Order: sequence, then structure tokens, then C-alpha cells
Amino acid sequence: KQEVTQIPAALSVPEGENLVLNCSFTDSAIYNLQWFRQDPGKGLTSLLLIQSSQREQTSGRLNASLDKSSGRSTLYIAASQPGDSATYLCAVSPIMNYGGSQGNLIFGKGTKLSVKP
Amino acid sequence: KAGVTQTPRYLIKTRGQQVTLSCSPISGHRSVSWYQQTPGQGLQFLFEYFSETQRNKGNFPGRFSGRQFSNSRSEMNVSTLELGDSALYLCASSMGGRGQEQFFGPGTRLTVL
Repeated sequence: KQEVTQIPAALSVPEGENLVLNCSFTDSAIYNLQWFRQDPGKGLTSLLLIQSSQREQTSGRLNASLDKSSGRSTLYIAASQPGDSATYLCAVSPIMNYGGSQGNLIFGKGTKLSVKP
Repeated sequence: KAGVTQTPRYLIKTRGQQVTLSCSPISGHRSVSWYQQTPGQGLQFLFEYFSETQRNKGNFPGRFSGRQFSNSRSEMNVSTLELGDSALYLCASSMGGRGQEQFFGPGTRLTVL
């Protein structure tokens, strides 16, 4: 059964710092991995999607990498800003979903990021 | 192109009542998935509908049910509400193929008193 872990659970950094968020998953049989951002009480905003055949994706100050063989992904945020404060979630799309019970996306519990001015 | 919409955005109910939540997917998307998000359990998969048929189902009791209409809009229903059903309910839509990118709505915040 696929499990997704995100470490750390919370992170506080000063404005301008570069930072890395980590995501690990137990089963490498995935279609893709997505990184989402969630503001308090709001829905999920998709940041980056990496297909299983890709190694990384970039969007603006964000860069996500995927190492499927080791079951790891990282989200790199350059020159962090207070507006980046949010919870960041990673989710994998499993090829095997154990009879459908795991659905199309399996999420980690997220990393709550706080960027201090 | 309009995004995923969910109504209502907020609901307050009492124990024992039932509730219906609605989700309208992105135009052209045929798959709608529902998730429950709580502080303790995180995001948990409820069920997925594709072309009006339930395709996948998570490990939730039968009090949680759903359906999908011919225009791909979906509803989920929770009967005999319990305090533990208080959560943010999110729906996501996609084109429908396995591994397709999922797009999420703003969620419905349900509070059970």
C-alpha cells in the first residue's frame, strides 16, 4: 500500500532564504507526482506536476525534482517571500490503487511553511 | 475556462442530520473525486465518479454516498451526521484517464454541532 511522508511538518524561515521541502513515497509504481499549495481553509492549488518519466519541473521560483527509484521528491523555493506562507502538499498518482480504495491521488500530511518578513 | 466549483462553501449542521454537497467540474472533465480533509487524518479519498458510475471507493462508512449526473456534476451525501464528520470536503476533476492531472475546487467546510 502506497504511503506518502513529508518532512518537516512545519518550517519557519526568514524572507529571502532558499528552502527545500521533502516528500517520500513507498511504492515507485506511480504515474506522476504533484505538488500543491493550500492556504488556510482554502482548496488546493496545483503548483507542479512531474510525470514518472521526468526528473524535474520548474515554474518561476519553484523547482520540483523526482527520483522515482529512491521514492523521493523535493520542492525547491528560491528567494522565499511572505506570500509563500502556506501548507505545501505532495501527492502521488499510484498505478496500483488496491481495488480502488486509494483513489487517484495519495497525499502526504503537508509541510506548513512560514516566511517571516 | 472556469475552474472547479463547489457549493455551498460553508455548512453548519447538527448531529443526526443529513447533508448534500455539490461539485461542478471543469468543462470537458468526466471524472470527479471527493476527499475529506481533517487536521488529524489529512486528506483522505472518499470516492471517484466517471461517466455517472462510481469507479473507486475509499474506506468510509456507507453513510457517505455520491452520484454523478450526465453533465458530470457530482453530489455527495452524508447521512446521520456525526461530530467527526466535521471537515473540509474537497472535490477534484480530471479528464478521466489514470494518471491525469487533478484540479481541485475551493472546498465545502462542514461543521457538525
